[in-house]
Amino acid sequence: EVQLVESEGGLVKPGGSFRLSCEVSGLIFSGAWLNWVRQPPGKGLEWIGRIKSKAYGETKDYSVPVKGRFTISRDDSKNTLYLQMNSLKTEDTAVYYCATDLRWGHWGRGTLVTVSS
Amino acid sequence: DLVMTQTPLSLSVTPGQPASISCTSSQSLLQSDGMTYLYWYVQKPGQSPQLLIYEVSSRFSGVPDRFSGSGSGTEFTLKISRVEAEDVGVYYCVEGTHLPWTFGQGTKVEVK
Repeated sequence: EVQLVESEGGLVKPGGSFRLSCEVSGLIFSGAWLNWVRQPPGKGLEWIGRIKSKAYGETKDYSVPVKGRFTISRDDSKNTLYLQMNSLKTEDTAVYYCATDLRWGHWGRGTLVTVSS
Repeated sequence: DLVMTQTPLSLSVTPGQPASISCTSSQSLLQSDGMTYLYWYVQKPGQSPQLLIYEVSSRFSGVPDRFSGSGSGTEFTLKISRVEAEDVGVYYCVEGTHLPWTFGQGTKVEVK
């Protein structure tokens, strides 16, 4: 069974930084392209970034709202995906999900990051 | 940028009755490989999104056959032939060929 488990979220002040991790099991992690999607409270889903596998150069892509502030990385030895969030804004408050490709339907349970003073 | 528009945004359905959700894209989703990478997800209360339909009309593993997807080009539809109480949730269409993945606004389905 494929499982994706995000680390605990938290409260961070505007301008601050936070790092999320996502531990993946049940699939060949090193070959997986992995995504982060977020959902502001009471709102819809927003894709924020993707990292390809090492075979594809671990190429990273980001949505416009987070580009330059968020960084996705992976550690294939730990089957773990990361999301480093810097210069956080109140509008980054959301539940953050890690996910595989849309076709496979594997998502974590999500973790809430609140950006507030 | 691609825009996905869902209608209606909310739906209240009597158990046993059908339901239909439309998803319109701002440009054709037909790719040069002949495929259309349009997906339907449902997010049940308090849960993460779950895949229902992939590539327009293929039911994901374990999805009841009362769910069906259809469409082509820019117009797509998710149908529930007979709504059950467990179908409560927000339904999203999403296009996954290009980045960013583009989600519809979501359609909230309530069961009376």
